[in-house]
Amino acid sequence: AQTVTQSQPEMSVQEAETVTLSCTYDTSESDYYLFWYKQPPSRQMILVIRQEAYKQQNATENRFSVNFQKAAKSFSLKISDSQLGDAAMYFCAYSSLGDTDKLIFGTGTRLQVFP
Amino acid sequence: NAGVTQTPKFQVLKTGQSMTLQCAQDMNHNSMYWYRQDPGMGLRLIYYSASEGTTDKGEVPNGYNVSRLNKREFSLRLESAAPSQTSVYFCASSEGAPRRKSPLHFGNGTRLTVT
Repeated sequence: AQTVTQSQPEMSVQEAETVTLSCTYDTSESDYYLFWYKQPPSRQMILVIRQEAYKQQNATENRFSVNFQKAAKSFSLKISDSQLGDAAMYFCAYSSLGDTDKLIFGTGTRLQVFP
Repeated sequence: NAGVTQTPKFQVLKTGQSMTLQCAQDMNHNSMYWYRQDPGMGLRLIYYSASEGTTDKGEVPNGYNVSRLNKREFSLRLESAAPSQTSVYFCASSEGAPRRKSPLHFGNGTRLTVT
């Protein structure tokens, strides 16, 4: 069975600085998808970025980028030029290519942004 | 642009009571999901429906039932609520496979307390 581990329950960053959130996963599959979701205090889950395992190029979305290390099964999220609005819970998630249609989430990292 | 709508937002039940959580999406998505979110546990899949007329168990289905009423609506029922079911419940939808093109869209959640 696949698992997703986020070892940092909480992180903090100064406004305008850069922060990296860690995520590792375990799978025996060779192809899959990885995601980062953001959950602000409103509780709405928002997709931040996604990575397809067969693509070696790291995904980027504006200030958000990932460092995908397939051999190490690592999928970290880098937030550049942090803003107060980035404060939220961040969840790493894994999705198989199979037809199970299930998304497996990590336990989350709470990010605080200080002015 | 309603997206995924969940009702109610808050609910308090006594042990043994029953209730149904409602979820509707207006994006014409094929797949719908129910997750529960507990502190330190991340999101866990309760049930999902890959298409109208089908439902499947997720990681933690015990104590729950679901109904995919039509393509728009997917309800979650607690027949006899237990304190262990105190949680925040999220409904989500997606276009379906392939996952790279169909991220999850979440509702705002329902905070359920069972006393």
